[in-house]
Amino acid sequence: EIVLTQSPGTLSLSPGERVTLSCRASQTVTSRFLAWYQQRPGQAPRLLIYGASIRATGIPDRFSGSGSGTDFTLTINRLEPEDFAVYYCQQYGNSPLTFGGGTKVEIK
Amino acid sequence: EVQLLESGGGSVQPGGSLRLSCAASGFIFNDYVLTWVRLAPGKGLEWVSGISGNGFKTYYADSVKGRFTISRDNSKNILYLQLNRLRVEDTAIYYCAKDYDFWTSWGQGTLVTVSS
Repeated sequence: EIVLTQSPGTLSLSPGERVTLSCRASQTVTSRFLAWYQQRPGQAPRLLIYGASIRATGIPDRFSGSGSGTDFTLTINRLEPEDFAVYYCQQYGNSPLTFGGGTKVEIK
Repeated sequence: EVQLLESGGGSVQPGGSLRLSCAASGFIFNDYVLTWVRLAPGKGLEWVSGISGNGFKTYYADSVKGRFTISRDNSKNILYLQLNRLRVEDTAIYYCAKDYDFWTSWGQGTLVTVSS
């Protein structure tokens, strides 16, 4: 099983700031099969990125993903109030599908 | 527009059972793998189970294998998850989602609470 470790656990930031979230895999993620989700309280997860760097339909271009192998990042430029949420990475290259533990981005 | 609507959650004692349902619309139901994912309080998301479009192939996380059973009724466009021998650690919001590998469409979830 591929274990995904997200860091940091919580980030306190202000609107307008830039944030980079990390996701590290315990082994190589096949073919960059890595996705990122945003989850706001009381809502279902929302797909942001798949294939490590492809934005899902309707996702603003302030969200970007990068990385390969075992190290991946999600960058959010110019945080908007609605971006304060929990972010999860997920790999789908190996069974079982696994998620990281999440990074909470909170308002400073 | 894809819509997924879960139901069937509730409170149950350890060792008890529940059946979750997910009613789907807006896509050709039997063309798609469907998945259950859960979110436990204070924890992260966990993939639970998946089922092929024709229902012949099923997949389970080790944590639920032998206790949970996924199924689908393609005539009614409904996905099911039978939860047996429930444990306290199964307490979570259970989401159904369309597709197998990553998920663009999710339901709003149904809460399962296992407590004595």
